[in-house]
Amino acid sequence: QVQLQESGPGLVKPSETLTLTCGVSGYSISSGYFWGWIRQPPGKGLEWIGTVYHPDNTYYNPSLKSRVTMSVDTSRNQFSLQLTSVTAADTAVYYCARRATTNNWFDPWGQGTLVTVSS
Amino acid sequence: EILMTQSPATLSVSPGERATLSCRASQSVSSNLAWYQQKPGQAPRVLIYGASTRATGIPARFSGSGSGTEFTLTISSLQSEDFAVYYCQQYNNWPALTFGGGTKVEIK
Repeated sequence: QVQLQESGPGLVKPSETLTLTCGVSGYSISSGYFWGWIRQPPGKGLEWIGTVYHPDNTYYNPSLKSRVTMSVDTSRNQFSLQLTSVTAADTAVYYCARRATTNNWFDPWGQGTLVTVSS
Repeated sequence: EILMTQSPATLSVSPGERATLSCRASQSVSSNLAWYQQKPGQAPRVLIYGASTRATGIPARFSGSGSGTEFTLTISSLQSEDFAVYYCQQYNNWPALTFGGGTKVEIK
């Protein structure tokens, strides 16, 4: 059974870079699958951030593309998200998830981690 | 970007009753639509993909229909554990995946 777990700082200062990691258990990332990040501002809906496929295929939300970098670390069986120049609008619960085998819906998801952007 | 609009924003239903949730796309997404359920403090979980295929382990009381721009999620007989927020997601327009704003199903 695949399980995902997000980790990273819960507080980031404005203009700095948000970095999160998603640890994967029960499946080897190097074996395939696409992996994604989705976020949810407090009390609001879901926003897809991007999707990565080992080793270096990345696909980003056009609205965030200039600030987002995603990568995969097969040695640690995890993938990561970097979001630069953050503002208060980036405050959200960030989820990592596995994309379905043949299409772009997501299952399963990690439990999510709240990142607050504040000085 | 394809805009996904869900209605109503809140649906008040009594246990045992049927709930019908709508999702409209600003342009055709074919059958490339998924539905998710999210309970407070939890991550979303997929219920339906391909507009009408139930995901593994999802009870038969959940059904999805529609294609093109109009989609429906029906919960045939609401159970206590079904009170949650439901989101639709289109995956026809790649790489620009978008979600609807959600419908909250609450106890009447």
